[in-house]
Amino acid sequence: AQSVTQPDIHITVSEGASLELRCNYSYGATPYLFWYVQSPGQGLQLLLKYFSGDTLVQGIKGFEAEFKRSQSSFNLRKPSVHWSDAAEYFCAVGAQAAGNKLTFGGGTRVLVKP
Amino acid sequence: EAGVVQSPRYKIIEKKQPVAFWCNPISGHNTLYWYLQNLGQGPELLIRYENEEAVDDSQLPKDRFSAERLKGVDSTLKIQPAELGDSAVYLCASSPGQGNTEAFFGQGTRLTVV
Repeated sequence: AQSVTQPDIHITVSEGASLELRCNYSYGATPYLFWYVQSPGQGLQLLLKYFSGDTLVQGIKGFEAEFKRSQSSFNLRKPSVHWSDAAEYFCAVGAQAAGNKLTFGGGTRVLVKP
Repeated sequence: EAGVVQSPRYKIIEKKQPVAFWCNPISGHNTLYWYLQNLGQGPELLIRYENEEAVDDSQLPKDRFSAERLKGVDSTLKIQPAELGDSAVYLCASSPGQGNTEAFFGQGTRLTVV
């Protein structure tokens, strides 16, 4: 069975500083990996996805993520955080063999200090 | 193009009462998902439809939860009777299917059972 771990429940970062959110997954085959962002009271918006190919993936809002098979990781990064990036971030693994079912991590809440 | 539409956005009911949530997926999306998101946690799959067929309902508590997608388009999720522990956000998502695992989420219905 697939699983996702996001080790950091909360992260506080100053505006303009860099951000890295950790994600580790467990899946027996080649995973499809996703990062979603959720603002308060809103649904989930896709930031970026990895299916295959280049292991460094560019997404929306200046985010990028790197797939590292040897570490079973898919960490999300942003070089310079804006106040509007304050939200909850979810990493997910999708399994085509399981009918495209998404399994989510517990999320990381990002707070941005002025 | 309209996204995934859910209604209502918020619902407050007394325990033991019935409640229903409605979802209209993105036009042309064959796959529809219902996810449950408890406070401070990532979403968890309740049920997945391929067209009108429920192909994965293993996580749906069938004693009180039911779902339908009669014409393979919009879907309804019902709880009867509701319990205090059902208070959560219910998210609907859709996907084109055909091997594309990207899911698009609605804004969710926040249920409060009192």
